[in-house]
Amino acid sequence: DGGITQSPKYLFRKEGQNVTLSCEQNLNHDAMYWYRQDPGQGLRLIYYSQIVNDFQKGDIAEGYSVSREKKESFPLTVTSAQKNPTAFYLCASSIAAVGTDTQYFGPGTRLTVL
Amino acid sequence: GDSVTQMEGPVTLSEEAFLTINCTYTATGYPSLFWYVQYPGEGLQLLLKATKADDKGSNKGFEATYRKETTSFHLEKGSVQVSDSAVYFCALRKGNQFYFGTGTSLTVIP
Repeated sequence: DGGITQSPKYLFRKEGQNVTLSCEQNLNHDAMYWYRQDPGQGLRLIYYSQIVNDFQKGDIAEGYSVSREKKESFPLTVTSAQKNPTAFYLCASSIAAVGTDTQYFGPGTRLTVL
Repeated sequence: GDSVTQMEGPVTLSEEAFLTINCTYTATGYPSLFWYVQYPGEGLQLLLKATKADDKGSNKGFEATYRKETTSFHLEKGSVQVSDSAVYFCALRKGNQFYFGTGTSLTVIP
């Protein structure tokens, strides 16, 4: 089946620890995105990547880092510099970086920092 | 800048009632418009889309028409079911960026 996988579904970390969220897609999509969702709010863009080895900051990139070494993978690291990391994190991809195509979303990872 | 505004919820309807969720947008040029649905604990799923003015997107009984004159993309369904209970997001695409509304929670009661 083609799609986007995120793992794990639930993640617990202690304050001050870095944590990496996985996102993999087998849709052969060029563009990938990371969003953060807080209760009762819309999605806020953290980072996006249009092509391998290239990525751009979104609206709330502070305290996060990403890499795009392979087309299929776009991991997100939540660093200890992120002041309020507890949230639901969604990864998405799209066919092209520019156009009319939709985004396809993974099932999300819920991160709780204790 | 580009943005999307959708009606706040929560919305509670009885089964078979008519649904409207309002969405308006602010953007220069000709963005593509989308409605997504999110079930509890899951990611967003595309519900329907429209890529140019006067286009009507439709899926699973839901419809929305791209109205450039009123910069709107309201979601409608003639008869909702309990299984339609979810959060609905309006979104626009402009170039390589997507902009999402804050979501409208819908609960349908039997």
